Parts: sequence; structure tokens; C-alpha cells
Amino acid sequence: ETGVTQTPRHLVMGMTNKKSLKCEQHLGHNAMYWYKQSAKKPLELMFVYSLEERVENNSVPSRFSPECPNSSHLFLHLHTLQPEDSALYLCASSQDGLALTWDVTDTQYFGPGTRLTVL
Amino acid sequence: RKEVEQDPGPFNVPEGATVAFNCTYSNSASQSFFWYRQDCRKEPKLLMSVYSSGNEDGRFTAQLNRASQYISLLIRDSKLSDSATYLCAVPSGGATNKLIFGTGTLLAVQP
Repeated sequence: ETGVTQTPRHLVMGMTNKKSLKCEQHLGHNAMYWYKQSAKKPLELMFVYSLEERVENNSVPSRFSPECPNSSHLFLHLHTLQPEDSALYLCASSQDGLALTWDVTDTQYFGPGTRLTVL
Repeated sequence: RKEVEQDPGPFNVPEGATVAFNCTYSNSASQSFFWYRQDCRKEPKLLMSVYSSGNEDGRFTAQLNRASQYISLLIRDSKLSDSATYLCAVPSGGATNKLIFGTGTLLAVQP
């Protein structure tokens, strides 16, 4: 399945490094999402973008900086991360991102994730 | 009540058994509900959607109980390959089309 792709699949970085995660969706969707999933914890929504506009930021530390240049691409820029930021970072997309326009059948499709380890 | 709540399990069942998981939700206005399957170290994948009273797809049946605000997932004739974590998701009801995910229920089917 190649509907939503993410690169890299694995990333190891030091606390002083700067890196970026990339997500691309080939589904023609208008909304994209970043989630964090730590071991034995539920999915944590980080950011929501609808038509390239950030519509939700769930109190995410500023060391995580999202960027959405168009409706098909989403980036997560990382800098000065902490070891507790080690997790699986998942990107998802859906047809719409705003409750006013979405259909009840709309749901989210996930990419394979980037497994991040911060040393 | 939490927005979405699931029994974390694990549910250990023998092959061929029937197993059911419940998921309770707090947003009484929700009109759609979703079950995802997540294998170890992989991404969640959509398994079933529920919009009215229920949905059936082969060995899998999802049912909705609006009065008690829960959805259930029934798996008949369990296979070893059904071993995974099953996540339920419910729209938040806010301004954005975001899903609230449960913590997931771990199913381990034993030979």
C-alpha cells in the first residue's frame, strides 16, 4: 500500500541534531496529521493541517515544528530533542480536516511511521 | 468518562474461538465509529467503519449501541494472524475532523 508514505523509516539522532521527517499522501486528501506513539501509550495527536493551514496544535513543544507546503506533503522538523521524544511518529491523511465540511464516512489513513530514537 | 475507553487486555484466546471487545465513548453526537488494527511496530490500518447499528465483514462484526454509548468488535473463528492490537476511534466533535483513539486492546490468538 502506498497511499501515505513516510521517510525515513528509522532515525537515530543526538540531542543537538536537526532532522526532518517527511510525509506524502497520494490519496487526493485535504487534511494531514502528525501523531506520536510511545511504547505502551495511546496515539497522541500533535498537529492537524487542513488545506495547508494548521488548524490544531495540541500543546506540542516548540522543538517540533511542522510544515505543510501543499496538501500532499507534510514535514516535521526536529531540533534539540530529548530522549523522551523517542517514539513512533505517524502521519495520517483524511479527505477533510474541518468538521464543517467532512462526511461521516471520512476517516484517517496512516503512513508506516518513522521510528525515532534520540540519544 | 474518558472520551474513548478500551480494555487493554491482553485477550489470550485459542484458535477458532470467538472473542469480543468493547469500546465506550463519551461524545453522544458521534455519527461514525472506526476500528483499526495495529500490528507490533506497524501503523494502524482501518479494519471496519460503523455508521448505523452495525457492520459485518466476513469473520468480523462491529456493532453500535447508542443508548449505552459503546461499540463492539466481534471476531469469529479466530486465526493466529488476528493477533494484534485493536484500536477504536471516534470523531471528537470539535471544529476539526480529528479522531480520538482508544488505548487499544491486545489480542493474542494461541495455537
